[in-house]
Amino acid sequence: DAGITQSPRHKVTETGTPVTLRCHQTENHRYMYWYRQDPGHGLRLIHYSYGVKDTDKGEVSDGYSVSRSKTEDFLLTLESATSSQTSVYFCAISGGGEQYFGPGTRLTVT
Amino acid sequence: DQQVKQNSPSLSVQEGRISILNCDYTNSMFDYFLWYKKYPAEGPTFLISISSIKDKNEDGRFTVFLNKSAKHLSLHIVPSQPGDSAVYFCAATTNTGGFKTIFGAGTRLFVKA
Repeated sequence: DAGITQSPRHKVTETGTPVTLRCHQTENHRYMYWYRQDPGHGLRLIHYSYGVKDTDKGEVSDGYSVSRSKTEDFLLTLESATSSQTSVYFCAISGGGEQYFGPGTRLTVT
Repeated sequence: DQQVKQNSPSLSVQEGRISILNCDYTNSMFDYFLWYKKYPAEGPTFLISISSIKDKNEDGRFTVFLNKSAKHLSLHIVPSQPGDSAVYFCAATTNTGGFKTIFGAGTRLFVKA
């Protein structure tokens, strides 16, 4: 299995608070991705990175920001959490081609 | 605007029979297509892929077919097994621009024993 972890695995937070999710890899892969999974929508790309400090927006980037200061870490920040951001968040890594996914973070915004 | 569509939310198949999962895409820039399998409470796992220069790729019980003119791909599972029961996601990407990958909404496969 690819070495990819996500933290925290579960989080409950209140509307309006900032939240940061962390993705950590030990594979030295160039590409990293953040997705959210919601019923009826499958996996939707939030942001992705193609190198240290190189990031770009995905399909549903509004309300989210990312940072990648090291190859191994990709952070997803919800600046001010809203109930619509309640979801399961997956990080993925890739060397180009297929992606390897982390176990997911279940975020609940109350 | 969904660039990758899986129009069947669910599919039920008898054990031992063939499962056929379908996927359509709209963006002609996609040149690499993948299928992922997901069990509950786990991350998706890569299953099989196909490049746009091919029309078929086979790996054991799994075969992916690509029809570029119709912008359609399908995943065949033969024979289907109860352990294949999962959600299957179709995905499409291009090898430019950071391999930005778009997923379909998924098809839940039930294989009945």
